[in-house]
Amino acid sequence: SQKIEQNSEALNIQEGKTATLTCNYTNYSPAYLQWYRQDPGRGPVFLLLIRENEKEKRKERLKVTFDTTLKQSLFHITASQPADSATYLCALGRDYGGSQGNLIFGKGTKLSVKP
Amino acid sequence: DTAVSQTPKYLVTQMGNDKSIKCEQNLGHDTMYWYKQDSKKFLKIMFSYNNKELIINETVPNRFSPKSPDKAHLNLHINSLELGDSAVYFCASSQDRGFSYEQYFGPGTRLTVT
Repeated sequence: SQKIEQNSEALNIQEGKTATLTCNYTNYSPAYLQWYRQDPGRGPVFLLLIRENEKEKRKERLKVTFDTTLKQSLFHITASQPADSATYLCALGRDYGGSQGNLIFGKGTKLSVKP
Repeated sequence: DTAVSQTPKYLVTQMGNDKSIKCEQNLGHDTMYWYKQDSKKFLKIMFSYNNKELIINETVPNRFSPKSPDKAHLNLHINSLELGDSAVYFCASSQDRGFSYEQYFGPGTRLTVT
């Protein structure tokens, strides 16, 4: 069955450092991979989308890579700030020729940035 | 302006009761979803509607029945509530179906069944 794993449940880093979160998947060939941020008591908020034919995508301090050979996506936050503390979810989806497949979410990694 | 709104925010009820959760989006999107996030934080899709038409119905007990009166609304009705239904339920929307579109989530409804 399709499986998504995010490297760790929790990641603690120091302010100013780069946070790197990992999303691995098996038994799946996604066409798209999305990253979301979720704060406690709130719904997920979309951050970035990367397609299977894209190696890298950037948005401000965020960078996502997508390696379909390794079946892995890396999510980087550079110059991290305490306000970046949240749970980050990766999600994979694949279109099925006009009908919609499932968007499968990982369990998330809780990032804590210490001042 | 709230893009995707849900009511109620909290819902506490007893086993066996029937309850509804309402969702509205003002983004003009064609596709709406219901997700369940359990105590282990897994976010799992339950239903998806596109222009009021059901396009995904995951393995969800038939006690759960979505209703889409128009493409801006997707309500979730749950019959004969069970303890295992306790979770946070999120409504979401996207411009269209397919995963090249980002999804916008509501604030969630925390359902507690006692």
